[in-house]
Amino acid sequence: GAGVSQSPRYKVAKRGQDVALRCDPISGHVSLFWYQQALGQGPEFLTYFQNEAQLDKSGLPSDRFFAERPEGSVSTLKIQRTQQEDSAVYLCASSLDPGTDTQYFGPGTRLTVL
Amino acid sequence: DAKTTQPNSMESNEEEPVHLPCNHSTISGTDYIHWYRQLPSQGPEYVIHGLTSNVNNRMASLAIAEDRKSSTLILHRATLRDAAVYYCILRDDYGQNFVFGPGTRLSVLP
Repeated sequence: GAGVSQSPRYKVAKRGQDVALRCDPISGHVSLFWYQQALGQGPEFLTYFQNEAQLDKSGLPSDRFFAERPEGSVSTLKIQRTQQEDSAVYLCASSLDPGTDTQYFGPGTRLTVL
Repeated sequence: DAKTTQPNSMESNEEEPVHLPCNHSTISGTDYIHWYRQLPSQGPEYVIHGLTSNVNNRMASLAIAEDRKSSTLILHRATLRDAAVYYCILRDDYGQNFVFGPGTRLSVLP
């Protein structure tokens, strides 16, 4: 079946621009996660949704980062006034059950801020 | 979440077994041991997980020490496609997000 998809796969932004990254989770998956992965490092947690509710946003690095999942399915991660340090791969993952279930990751969006 | 320690990198020859170690001396009784791997230019993918007993699936085996302070991911016959970064992660039953470390970069030589 279809896995987690993310778009765009690559995004180049000029410093100061706003960007929006989209995640389409596996159909029926309750939980959705966003992670940020800098070059050569493991993914770092950003935020977590259970259905449409954002239950944890403790990993968002600044108030320029905003995520939403208004209908409990597709999610968008928005970064306002991008900075060079925002350059990273942004990964989305979904799981059927928030607790012990496996997380399925998308391919990521590589964001480069010039 | 308790911390894990893994070697930065390992090498293996194709078609030979690979044993990837993970130390987690501060593991708690409710922590599950998860292994994910990340192939180049892809998101992480699930490999295996366990709590106390050894586990086997079509991808790998997970051997868990009796005191649970360490575990080993076993790939029975490495292929070139197994070249990836392997992450060992602890998460309890109530956990949600995973806390990834730097993982072990496995190289498979033909």
